[in-house]
Parts: sequence; structure tokens; C-alpha cells
Amino acid sequence: GNSVTQMEGPVTLSEEAFLTINCTYTATGYPSLFWYVQYPGEGLQLLLKATKADDKGSNKGFEATYRKETTSFHLEKGSVQVSDSAVYFCALTPYNQAGTALIFGKGTTLSVSS
Amino acid sequence: NAGVTQTPKFQVLKTGQSMTLQCAQDMNHNSMYWYRQDPGMGLRLIYYSASEGTTDKGEVPNGYNVSRLNKREFSLRLESAAPSQTSVYFCASSPQGAGVKNIQYFGAGTRLSVL
Repeated sequence: GNSVTQMEGPVTLSEEAFLTINCTYTATGYPSLFWYVQYPGEGLQLLLKATKADDKGSNKGFEATYRKETTSFHLEKGSVQVSDSAVYFCALTPYNQAGTALIFGKGTTLSVSS
Repeated sequence: NAGVTQTPKFQVLKTGQSMTLQCAQDMNHNSMYWYRQDPGMGLRLIYYSASEGTTDKGEVPNGYNVSRLNKREFSLRLESAAPSQTSVYFCASSPQGAGVKNIQYFGAGTRLSVL
């Protein structure tokens, strides 16, 4: 079956610290991988995506590389800001299954203090 | 830029009451989804509609029904609410279901409490 496992939170960092949130997946076929972010009181919004092995998704200083050999898609940012405080979700969708919803990890809460 | 609109934003029900959560998207997307979000559980799929006229069960469909009224609208109905259905409900839509095109756009959510 398909599943996503991401590191437990909460993650608490000081401003300008380096961030890594680990995500590993199990999937049949060749999934597309996503990171979504949920700011307090809001819905989810796409942060970045990658569609094949060795692709790097990037947005707003965040990056994640699709590693097929380790089935991972870790999220990184070199210098976090207070405004990055949110819940981050790793997700996948099987490549060749039309009409299939996203499969989410449980989410990791990030709290950044100044 | 409305995107995905959910109504209501908040609702309190008594056990056994019924209600319908409404969702509409203005992006001409084919696929629509209903998720619930519970603490420590992430998002779990309740039902989805790959295209107008079709609906399918997701991971946690029990106690819910859905209607894809037209291409824009996808409603979620609780026939007899139970405290276990206390959750935050998110509607999402995507251009189509598979692979790289399956970027989903989410509404702001409906916070439901069942007493």
C-alpha cells in the first residue's frame, strides 16, 4: 500500500536556524511527492512538489529532493523565520492512478521564536 | 480569486442532528475531495469525486454521504451526527486526479463540534 511517514513534532527553533523535517514514503509505482503547509487557522497550501527521482522542489527558501533509493523527500530550509511557524505535511499521489486523492503524513508542527 | 469556498466556517451540532457542509470551487477543476483533520492523525480522505457524476469512498466514509451537484459543487452530509465526527473538515479540488497535475487546492475548513 501507499503511506507517508514524517517526523514527530513539535519542532522548536530559533530564528535563522537550519530546518530539516524528515519524510519517507512507501508507494507502488512512481509517485509524485508534495509538501503542503498549513498556517494557523487556514487551509493547506502547496509549498513545493517533485514528480520524479532526483527532482528538487523549491519555494520560499524551502527545498526537498526526491530520493528514490532512500524513498525520502526531506524538507529543508537554511534560515527559518518566525513567519515559517506552521504545520507541514508531506504527501504523495500515485503516478498512474487517476482520481486518487493525496495520501498525507500526520504533519509536523514548526514553531520559530525570535 | 475565491478558489475553494467552504460554508459554514463553524458549526455546533447535537448528537443525532443532521447537516450538510457545502463546498464550491471556481477553478473549473474536475476532481474534488473531502478530508477530515484530527489531532495527531493528519488528513484522512472521506470521499472524493474524480469527475462530475462520480463519487468514491475514501479511507473513512462511514457516517457520511456526498453529492457532486455539478462541476463546481461537492457537498458532504452527516445524516446523524456523532461526537466522533467532531473534527475540522477540508474540501479540496484539483484539475485532474493523477500524478503531476494532482495539485490540490484547499478551502479554509469547517470546524464542527458534535455535543
